Amino acid sequence: GNSVTQMEGPVTLSEEAFLTINCTYTATGYPSLFWYVQYPGEGLQLLLKATKADDKGSNKGFEATYRKETTSFHLEKGSVQVSDSAVYFCALGEDSNYQLIWGAGTKLIIKP
Amino acid sequence: DVKVTQSSRYLVKRTGEKVFLECVQDMDHENMFWYRQDPGLGLRLIYFSYDVKMKEKGDIPEGYSVSREKKERFSLILESASTNQTSMYLCASSDPGLLTGELFFGEGSRLTVL
Repeated sequence: GNSVTQMEGPVTLSEEAFLTINCTYTATGYPSLFWYVQYPGEGLQLLLKATKADDKGSNKGFEATYRKETTSFHLEKGSVQVSDSAVYFCALGEDSNYQLIWGAGTKLIIKP
Repeated sequence: DVKVTQSSRYLVKRTGEKVFLECVQDMDHENMFWYRQDPGLGLRLIYFSYDVKMKEKGDIPEGYSVSREKKERFSLILESASTNQTSMYLCASSDPGLLTGELFFGEGSRLTVL
């Protein structure tokens, strides 16, 4: 079956550091891939998405590229801020059903 | 601004009590979902509904039931709360016209069962 694997956290970085949060997936079809973010005390919100191979999703300085050859969708940001501290979830979705497959989440802590 | 509103942010209940968690969305979405969020386990789907009065079991429906009498409202019911149901509960909605996976979430309801 389909699955999503994220790097374990917490990930702790200093402000202005480069961020990578790894996400790999297994899927039988041609899924869409998503990154959601959950800021402290809030619900999840969609950060970015990609619907097919080689698509790059981007938002708020974050980027992720849908790599079919490595079955990956790693989240990157060139220079993180304290306000980026949150939990990040990678997810996979297929149009054939309503359900998303979620990674376990990665907590990101940015220190000033 | 689109909104999914969960009725209670924090609840404390006793073992055996009946618990209602309410969720309302103002986007006229057809699909609604209840998830449970636990550290290290990500989000697990409890139930979802793709239409009024329709419901489908998710991955962990045991001990829960749902009700969708109106399009905008989706309720999660714990008939007899147990301590292992202490968790964060997240409601979400989506429209069939959106790409699968574009969910809009409420802020969550943190339930503690003593």
